[in-house]
Amino acid sequence: EAQVTQNPRYLITVTGKKLTVTCSQNMNHEYMSWYRQDPGLGLRQIYYSMNVEVTDKGDVPEGYKVSRKEKRNFPLILESPSPNQTSLYFCASTRLAGTYNEQFFGPGTRLTVL
Amino acid sequence: SQQGEEDPQALSIQEGENATMNCSYKTSINNLQWYRQNSGRGLVHLILIRSNEREKHSGRLRVTLDTSKKSSSLLITASRAADTASYFCATPETSGSRLTFGEGTQLTVNP
Repeated sequence: EAQVTQNPRYLITVTGKKLTVTCSQNMNHEYMSWYRQDPGLGLRQIYYSMNVEVTDKGDVPEGYKVSRKEKRNFPLILESPSPNQTSLYFCASTRLAGTYNEQFFGPGTRLTVL
Repeated sequence: SQQGEEDPQALSIQEGENATMNCSYKTSINNLQWYRQNSGRGLVHLILIRSNEREKHSGRLRVTLDTSKKSSSLLITASRAADTASYFCATPETSGSRLTFGEGTQLTVNP
């Protein structure tokens, strides 16, 4: 089954404690990205990756890091989480070939930073 | 920045009625996509309409696109309680696959 998986689904942590949210897709998609969703602000892109070892900043990259060592995985790293990073996070992927591509989203990770 | 803007922000209807949501965007596009999100869950792609299409159907969904007005509408016919969700329009950057989402319309279908 084609899917995007994220782990963990829920996480409560404290300020400054490094954490990683994993994302994996099994569709051999080149493009992967991370979004955060906040009330009144909609979905905003954090980082994206066009392929292995190619990453770039989205609209709100501050406080986040990503890596793309393998095509299927795109972890989101918060080196020193802060309360303003409390949010709902989504990973997404799509293929780059062609012009009319839907994105596939993971189930979301609800992060609370105390 | 948010390009798509949905209207209304919230819509409450009775089961069996039709629901219409609108989306406006600012720049040129080659396609526009609609997604659905159940509360706290991931987004699910519903339908994609290309810039050279004016209308598209998929089951109970009907999407229109007016590129001269930079607007699109999503119509859900004969709504069901299970249609209760948030609906987002999204437009991809012409240079790649980055999607810009609106803030969504929260649809509530009352049984």
